[in-house]
Amino acid sequence: DQQVKQNSPSLSVQEGRISILNCDYTNSMFDYFLWYKKYPAEGPTFLISISSIKDKNEDGRFTVFLNKSAKHLSLHIVPSQPGDSAVYFCAARTGTASKLTFGTGTRLQVTL
Amino acid sequence: EAQVTQNPRYLITVTGKKLTVTCSQNMNHEYMSWYRQDPGLGLRQIYYSMNVEVTDKGDVPEGYKVSRKEKRNFPLILESPSPNQTSLYFCASRGSGQTNEQFFGPGTRLTVL
Repeated sequence: DQQVKQNSPSLSVQEGRISILNCDYTNSMFDYFLWYKKYPAEGPTFLISISSIKDKNEDGRFTVFLNKSAKHLSLHIVPSQPGDSAVYFCAARTGTASKLTFGTGTRLQVTL
Repeated sequence: EAQVTQNPRYLITVTGKKLTVTCSQNMNHEYMSWYRQDPGLGLRQIYYSMNVEVTDKGDVPEGYKVSRKEKRNFPLILESPSPNQTSLYFCASRGSGQTNEQFFGPGTRLTVL
């Protein structure tokens, strides 16, 4: 049972345009959501997070939106840059639990 | 430099030969976890530890053991590896506090023949 779903395995966007990566979840107990970025041969690195009490969190070119009623979150990257090409994982957590439940990832390719 | 280290980075072994993948963090983090990444399945938690001598099962613990005798180390033990444990393994740690994110190691690619 996949509690966190990323239905798009890949996405290609032109440099300078907006990248939108989507994530859906089924467990209403999740109250903290994170996005991780992963380059080949490296571990995932934290990108941005959002608490369930908020609907938006922004950090530079990265913005995460949370729609609790739809159990949906999205990551917007504006403007997209070639260095953003990576696999992006959505993850969710309940309370202070150490366990993160990850989605299957979306491979973003930013083309020139 | 704050980091999570794993060794070895790459390992090819044979079925049934016991192995240990080490994980160490220098950030004095309480929480440590092991994940495996498989195509189409994302990252799945194997075991986690909330502090020294406190460990618990994650989503896919079968065939694995862990120990947490010291705060900085969290080794993953495969007593009798099988081919279905061929995967990419990541160790992660985080401090206490709800908003603290997990820091991941560079990964260990394990192949069991």
